[in-house]
Amino acid sequence: RKEVEQDPGPFNVPEGATVAFNCTYSNSASQSFFWYRQDCRKEPKLLMSVYSSGNEDGRFTAQLNRASQYISLLIRDSKLSDSATYLCAVRLRSSASKIIFGSGTRLSIRP
Amino acid sequence: DGGITQSPKYLFRKEGQNVTLSCEQNLNHDAMYWYRQDPGQGLRLIYYSQIVNDFQKGDIAEGYSVSREKKESFPLTVTSAQKNPTAFYLCASKDRGGGETQYFGPGTRLLVL
Repeated sequence: RKEVEQDPGPFNVPEGATVAFNCTYSNSASQSFFWYRQDCRKEPKLLMSVYSSGNEDGRFTAQLNRASQYISLLIRDSKLSDSATYLCAVRLRSSASKIIFGSGTRLSIRP
Repeated sequence: DGGITQSPKYLFRKEGQNVTLSCEQNLNHDAMYWYRQDPGQGLRLIYYSQIVNDFQKGDIAEGYSVSREKKESFPLTVTSAQKNPTAFYLCASKDRGGGETQYFGPGTRLLVL
């Protein structure tokens, strides 16, 4: 079983729709969680960290469910520019530096 | 401007040849990383370094080597032992002193001729 798993998609949704992705992690000692956005043939860029109480940044909401060991990303009022691959990442409590990435979920927003 | 630079953007390797990918950062970050990404795949950790003159193997270190002689530099050598080196290579750095965010360079695409 992979340490961090994501549905690869693609998710193809109309502009303005709300879309949600989940990311599951296998190690209960995971401490820090992140969502990254990666555009085609570019490097990943941090979208947002995920805090225990959940957090929101504009149209984006991230949540953590420790009991079920998953994090989620919700995008409201999706824009064409949201089309990208979304990678989740996890850091274990035992390692200050090592971060494990999921394979990513492809999102395509259609006009 | 502060950031991470990688060079070259594209690199071609002949069979049996070693090649070195450059990664430089001026963010004063202690930790640096190398990842490999294959088409449609996530990032797989090759090597990482938490401090100068120290580095650890990641999940797919075979066929690769690194050095960390300077804080700002973390070059990756793809050796001839790496039988399937064609991929997108990403370098990243992070502040070891509590900062959580990894910052990525623009990447190097390696192709085998």
